[in-house]
Amino acid sequence: DAGITQSPRHKVTETGTPVTLRCHQTENHRYMYWYRQDPGHGLRLIHYSYGVKDTDKGEVSDGYSVSRSKTEDFLLTLESATSSQTSVYFCAISVGGQGDQPQHFGDGTRLSIL
Amino acid sequence: GQQVMQIPQYQHVQEGEDFTTYCNSSTTLSNIQWYKQRPGGHPVFLIQLVKSGEVKKQKRLTFQFGEAKKNSSLHITATQTTDVGTYFCPYNAGNMLTFGGGTRLMVKP
Repeated sequence: DAGITQSPRHKVTETGTPVTLRCHQTENHRYMYWYRQDPGHGLRLIHYSYGVKDTDKGEVSDGYSVSRSKTEDFLLTLESATSSQTSVYFCAISVGGQGDQPQHFGDGTRLSIL
Repeated sequence: GQQVMQIPQYQHVQEGEDFTTYCNSSTTLSNIQWYKQRPGGHPVFLIQLVKSGEVKKQKRLTFQFGEAKKNSSLHITATQTTDVGTYFCPYNAGNMLTFGGGTRLMVKP
């Protein structure tokens, strides 16, 4: 399904530790996104990228950073994880080359911060 | 920020009943996309509507885009347990989508 792989799929870690989530795509799509999903909040955009080294903030970017050094990889980093960042994280790509085109999502990463 | 309001938030139906969810925007939309997320799964793109008054069908699902391009609806005929999930119509801001809470559909067998 659109060649998106998220890793890890599950992670449990402690407050204060750094965490990096990886999103890998195989189809060279320009736009990539990171969302978090919490009960009662739907999907909220954290950061997105519109090309190598081109990123921008989303709705809930505080406490998160991203990097995109290659077209195929979009990394999300929690520099010092907090319990409020316990969530399910989804990566998505926008097909068709433009940011307003339909998005395809990865299977998600379930992150628990104790 | 700008968003598309979706109603209802939740809907319980008996299997075989019809279901409709509505999305409304205060501004004209360039297009509207619909997604479905099954419990425990990831959002899956269903369809994109672009033209004023457009109607598209996918088996028992009918999608409409309003004449003024400010509202849209998804109608499911004769729901089945496989229709269970949350349906989203995110606001399309050009480079990004803003998802609301969607409509959660529950189907009683």
